[in-house]
Amino acid sequence: DAEITQSPRHKITETGRQVTLACHQTWNHNNMFWYRQDLGHGLRLIHYSYGVQDTNKGEVSDGYSVSRSNTEDLPLTLESAASSQTSVYFCASSPGQNYGYTFGSGTRLTVV
Amino acid sequence: DQQVKQNSPSLSVQEGRISILNCDYTNSMFDYFLWYKKYPAEGPTFLISISSIKDKNEDGRFTVFLNKSAKHLSLHIVPSQPGDSAVYFCAAISGAGSYQLTFGKGTKLSVIP
Repeated sequence: DAEITQSPRHKITETGRQVTLACHQTWNHNNMFWYRQDLGHGLRLIHYSYGVQDTNKGEVSDGYSVSRSNTEDLPLTLESAASSQTSVYFCASSPGQNYGYTFGSGTRLTVV
Repeated sequence: DQQVKQNSPSLSVQEGRISILNCDYTNSMFDYFLWYKKYPAEGPTFLISISSIKDKNEDGRFTVFLNKSAKHLSLHIVPSQPGDSAVYFCAAISGAGSYQLTFGKGTKLSVIP
């Protein structure tokens, strides 16, 4: 069965470290997204990609970067982790407009 | 500025009764709306959607109503079951060639047995 997986499920890192969160989907979807979920804010878009070599900034992109070298993967990198980036991160994919997203199970990141 | 608003952070309903979750939006370019359900420690899962050309969409116990003039949509769950207890997110897509979903902050529904 097709799926979307995120790793790791939990991560604790220190302030200033570079961290990469993985997202892998086997749906063959062109569109992939990264969101963060924080209490009182709901889900906010960090970065998104509409295909290989395409990346775009979302609402809260500062301090984050993504790359898309193939259809299946969209890793999210925190260049220098900050305590404000402690959050739950969700990756999602979609086949096209007016289709719902399929979300991964999330990565809980704690920056200490 | 929040484009999708869920003004009720929480809602409690007795089992068997109707649950009504509300959502307002400000962006007139939104033309497709979705509801997601989220359990703790899991990713959101798609529940039901509605296009702006419709005013109602029904799927089993779940019905979504859209009032375009008021920029308001609602999700009705009838009858409510304890397993429906979750956080519900309203989301919207702009028709202008965008695939991005804009989410509300969510409403936590508790169905009391």
